[in-house]
Amino acid sequence: EAGVTQFPSHSVIEKGQTVTLRCDPISGHDNLYWYRRVMGKEIKFLLHFVKESKQDESGMPNNRFLAERTGGTYSTLKVQPAELEDSGVYFCASSQVQRSPYNSPLHFGNGTRLTVT
Amino acid sequence: LAKTTQPISMDSYEGQEVNITCSHNNIATNDYITWYQQFPSQGPRFIIQGYKTKVTNEVASLFIPADRKSSTLSLPRVSLSDTAVYYCLVGDNGVRVEGNTPLVFGKGTRLSVIA
Repeated sequence: EAGVTQFPSHSVIEKGQTVTLRCDPISGHDNLYWYRRVMGKEIKFLLHFVKESKQDESGMPNNRFLAERTGGTYSTLKVQPAELEDSGVYFCASSQVQRSPYNSPLHFGNGTRLTVT
Repeated sequence: LAKTTQPISMDSYEGQEVNITCSHNNIATNDYITWYQQFPSQGPRFIIQGYKTKVTNEVASLFIPADRKSSTLSLPRVSLSDTAVYYCLVGDNGVRVEGNTPLVFGKGTRLSVIA
């Protein structure tokens, strides 16, 4: 099966610009997650979709970040306007929905490396 | 949120067995223990998951004592390609109205395999 794919793999933008990251989960996976790692820090949870619904967005840093998953397939994460501290690697992961989603392993994409200058 | 503690780094020679222990003292009754492997410029990759006792698959074994406050990932006969960061995560499996607790990544263990 095709894995989780993320686009672009790298993005370099200037402070104040807008960037949109895309994630295509594994087909049939209703759970979709966004994580990010900023330089030297741990991988942090951002939010969780079940199909098109936001199940948990407690990790979203502020209202400059907007995640969508229209139709319950691919997801986008928009940063507008970007700030220097948004630089990092943004990972997307997906998993199947079972009775207990968290014992369904997460499948991660290779991430988008975002650099804000 | 259940937190985990792992050694920051470990070194091993090729062909040796490597055991990485993770502490999770506040693991909840419904939590599973999951290990991921991450190579540079890649996303974390699922290795193994367990709830109690021992689990074995084609790449690793996971040992979980009765109190479940720790777990040990065992990699048999490591090779240079096993050099990576290994993460231990715990997460609940209860279906709650407000949603499950998201998995929390710690700092991981950086394993270096030497020829």
